[in-house]
Formats: sequence, structure tokens, C-alpha cells
Amino acid sequence: GAVVSQHPSWVICKSGTSVKIECRSLDFQATTMFWYRQFPKQSLMLMATSNEGSKATYEQGVEKDKFLINHASLTLSTLTVTSAHPEDSSFYICSADRGGNTIYFGEGSWLTVV
Amino acid sequence: QQQVKQSPQSLIVQKGGISIINCAYENTAFDYFPWYQQFPGKGPALLIAIRPDVSEKKEGRFTISFNKSAKQFSLHIMDSQPGDSATYFCAASKSNTDKLIFGTGTRLQVFP
Repeated sequence: GAVVSQHPSWVICKSGTSVKIECRSLDFQATTMFWYRQFPKQSLMLMATSNEGSKATYEQGVEKDKFLINHASLTLSTLTVTSAHPEDSSFYICSADRGGNTIYFGEGSWLTVV
Repeated sequence: QQQVKQSPQSLIVQKGGISIINCAYENTAFDYFPWYQQFPGKGPALLIAIRPDVSEKKEGRFTISFNKSAKQFSLHIMDSQPGDSATYFCAASKSNTDKLIFGTGTRLQVFP
């Protein structure tokens, strides 16, 4: 079964609103989680590294004020897309580090902004 | 700058054949090289991974070959099956950061 859970699996929101995506490690604690974005038929692009109890580290070109990341506990990281626009529509995937380079991915969350 | 280059972009193989996907990396600090399998609409699933201290690793029908001097590694799928049809991504990371850098992906189609 899945060891990393994402919720929701898909979400539709209106342009200008904010939407939150959750990423949970189910049977292990993860001090580090990662958020990726994937456009259709393209590779995964790392957006940010989420660190429990501290600020996330964003990749170059990713707006930290638009993509808010909170890693409040060892099993939960959230990604909030603020003031979403149609160009933010994408497949968002999280992963969690179980230790020893064993990284598990969530099932992904489809975001459609209309 | 594409730190991990993957080829081919797409691959069509007949059932029972061997599928071969190649990746090349630039950063010599990378020391962890996993392969992921992704089905449409799903997150990637770890298939097999290798570290530079070995040249080959086999798990079932899946084999990674690693050439440290050439900075290349490849995935071989033996006896390919229609159920193997998916997109495959190679990746690389430095073990101390665990930040995975992905290749561009290879869409594999296995026909009966």
C-alpha cells in the first residue's frame, strides 16, 4: 500500500482563490519532504524542499509567496497555491525521505484552475 | 541546464523483447541513481536504484548498468510485458541532500 498519501487527488478551483494540498507520510516520520510539479508528458520539476520545523527551500524560479509550504509535523507537509491562475494548473507530487535515500512519492494531486 | 539527460524519448518494444533506456549525468557529486516507473495520472514508483560502488544491479527482470567513468547508467527490462508500458524516469542525487534531479522521461510501449 501507499506509504505517502496526498489529498486531494484532484481539485478544481476558481481563478484568484487559494488551494491547499496535503502530503502525509503514513508509517514513518519524514523530516524532509519534496514538492514537484509535472506538466503533461513532461518530467518532474522540483519546486521546493520542505523541512520540518523550518522554512522551505525553494528552487530557482519558484515564487515562495505564491507556493506556500508548511511542514508543521514529521508526517505532514502542505502546499498552498495562493491566488491561483489557470497557468498554475498542473499535477503536483510530493515525496518523503524515509532515510537512507529511500524516497517515496505520493499519488499526486491534479489542480485545475478555471 | 539539464543535469541528467535521458534517451530515448519514446520506445516501442515487442512483448518478450528487451527495453533499454539510457541516462547520462554531469555532476560527479551524484552518488545515488534510482529509476522510477510512472503510470498515467499516478505518482512515480521506485523501481530499482544503484550506487557508484557497483557496476550492475539486478532485481527480477530489471537491471541497472552503471559506468562511472562515462557518467552513464542504463535500465534494462528483460522479457518486456504489456504491463510494463509506462513512462520511466532516471534520477540522480547527492545522498546528503536527497534532492532528486530527474531525467526527461521515456515513454515505453510494449505491444503483444
